[in-house]
Amino acid sequence: TQLLEQSPQFLSIQEGENLTVYCNSSSVFSSLQWYRQEPGEGPVLLVTVVTGGEVKKLKRLTFQFGDARKDSSLHITAAQPGDTGLYLCAGLNEKLTFGTGTRLTIIP
Amino acid sequence: GAGVSQSPSNKVTEKGKDVELRCDPISGHTALYWYRQRLGQGLEFLIYFQGNSAPDKSGLPSDRFSAERTGESVSTLTIQRTQQEDSAVYLCASSSLTTPYEQYFGPGTRLTVT
Repeated sequence: TQLLEQSPQFLSIQEGENLTVYCNSSSVFSSLQWYRQEPGEGPVLLVTVVTGGEVKKLKRLTFQFGDARKDSSLHITAAQPGDTGLYLCAGLNEKLTFGTGTRLTIIP
Repeated sequence: GAGVSQSPSNKVTEKGKDVELRCDPISGHTALYWYRQRLGQGLEFLIYFQGNSAPDKSGLPSDRFSAERTGESVSTLTIQRTQQEDSAVYLCASSSLTTPYEQYFGPGTRLTVT
């Protein structure tokens, strides 16, 4: 069984602060995705990272794939209320395995 | 264009009843996935359809769960003799043959078993 543990499970911070959330596994993945899910909606794909050590930036969001392709991090700079949501990582081998999620709340 | 749609958006049913959940994928998407999401948790894979190939049913939690898809169109997830632990949001996603792991999700069906 390929498990992806995300931490922290819950995070509540003030607008303007920086934060990092983590996605860890003992399994190696060929690629890893990050999704954001808002209440009442399905997850929306933010990014796919493929190469060990790869870093991708999406405006204020920075995604990194671990060198060993077992873990990933998402860093948000100057968080805004619109960043509020459930962040899910998903590792890909034969199929996608979703992580446990980090519920992020940005307080105005 | 239109995204993935699911119906109903909410379903309340009594324990022991059967329910059918519907998913309309994005037109032209050959792959279709069903997931279950319990309150505040991540997604649990249920079943995967790819074109006319035999579906991957490895995630179905029990024989009370089944799903059908006709060609590359609508899919129906059926839960027989519902139990309270079946209460969850059921999400459907579809993807294209060229980018099979870029999944586009529907809004989900929230199922409550009383």
